[in-house]
Amino acid sequence: EVQLVESGGGLVQPGGSLRLSCAASGFTFRSYWMTWVRQAPERGLEWVANMNQDGSGNYYVDSVRGRFTISRDNAKNSLYLQMNSLRAEDTAVYYCARSLYYSGSGSFLFDYWGQGSLVTVSS
Amino acid sequence: EIVLTQSPGTLSSSPGERATLSCRASQSVRSNYLAWYQQKPGQAPRLLIYGASSRATGIPDNFSGSGSGTDFTLTISRLGPEDFAMYYCQQYGSSPTFGGGTKVEIK
Repeated sequence: EVQLVESGGGLVQPGGSLRLSCAASGFTFRSYWMTWVRQAPERGLEWVANMNQDGSGNYYVDSVRGRFTISRDNAKNSLYLQMNSLRAEDTAVYYCARSLYYSGSGSFLFDYWGQGSLVTVSS
Repeated sequence: EIVLTQSPGTLSSSPGERATLSCRASQSVRSNYLAWYQQKPGQAPRLLIYGASSRATGIPDNFSGSGSGTDFTLTISRLGPEDFAMYYCQQYGSSPTFGGGTKVEIK
């Protein structure tokens, strides 16, 4: 059974940092792209960042590029999201999702999701 | 960026009824790369439909998807108690975007 378990969320002040982790099991982690998707009440679902199988390639949504860094450790079956210079608008539940890459469009389908980790940015 | 607009925002139905949810794209979705997800409170989204009409693994056949181009539909043929939830569409014909969701609630 595919399982994705996020951790590391919490309350942080604007300008602060937080590191999210996602522990994967039940599938061959090193064979899949992985993505962070966030869900904020007023903005809905938004993909944030993703990384290819060996960690050599990644993409970011414009609003987080330069502030967030995605990484992975295939030996530990884990995905990470380092979030710096956090803003109030980064407040959301952050999900990690197993991703299927479609070369014809250069885009992604998300076939399994974790339960999410809440990040609140507030003073 | 392709904007997805879902309607209605809320659908009030009774168990056993048919539910029809709409997802309209601001431009044509390449190769009909359109997916539907179900999300219940406090739970992760679950993939239901991909490629506009293909059911994901383990999804019962009372869920069906249809459509092409800019107009897509998710149909739940008979609503069971477990089907009352939020539903989102997502396109992956270009940089992925999601619709705002339709809440299916018990009338």
